[in-house]
Amino acid sequence: EVQLLESGGGLVQPGGSRRLSCAASGFTFSTYAMSWVRQAPGKGLEWVSGFSGSGTGTYYADSVKGRFTISRDNSKNTLYLQMNSLRAEDTAVYYCVKVSVTTSWYFDLWGRGTLITVSS
Amino acid sequence: QSVLTQPPSVSGAPGQRVTISCTGSSSNIGAGYDVHWYQQLPGTAPKLLIYGNSNRPSGVPDRFSSSKSGTSASLAITGLQAEDEADYYCQSYDSSLSAWLFGGGTKLTVL
Repeated sequence: EVQLLESGGGLVQPGGSRRLSCAASGFTFSTYAMSWVRQAPGKGLEWVSGFSGSGTGTYYADSVKGRFTISRDNSKNTLYLQMNSLRAEDTAVYYCVKVSVTTSWYFDLWGRGTLITVSS
Repeated sequence: QSVLTQPPSVSGAPGQRVTISCTGSSSNIGAGYDVHWYQQLPGTAPKLLIYGNSNRPSGVPDRFSSSKSGTSASLAITGLQAEDEADYYCQSYDSSLSAWLFGGGTKLTVL
């Protein structure tokens, strides 16, 4: 079965760190770009970060640049998001998404999401 | 305020046709980047609905269609059904921001 399974969510204090993981199965993980998209409670979707399929490029939204780091381990079919210096506004459900391409990336497979709550 | 602008809400009766607009600019939709659409049913993860302006993934009913013109795109839903009640998001790429963007989302209510 083609699926993405996120883990690592929970309650984090402001200024703290957390690493999210996303286990992929059912497709050739190494050949696809992957990304993270988040959704704050009651709000819309926000693209956070992406990792190219070729492995040569990483991309970040301005809101997380310098604080978040995306990485992947193709031997484990796993995508990661290291989140540092967390702020209250980072509170959201974080979705791991598989990327496909036309003239722009689009997200054709979504995980169920993992909730990060940043609060003291 | 989102760079891709959608109406916050639309509504329609069962069987009717509704449209949802997505207005961008010359650095995203108008620059030739494709528009994609997602459906998010209550309490669930988003699902790809339309990709590449007008293509439906396998399993998406042909009641859903979309088009793009200039700096805007629109999603049309015909033969509205109760199970279509959801949030809908457009998405594209913006070359000025170097970022993939979502519209603010539109809540569809089936009356």
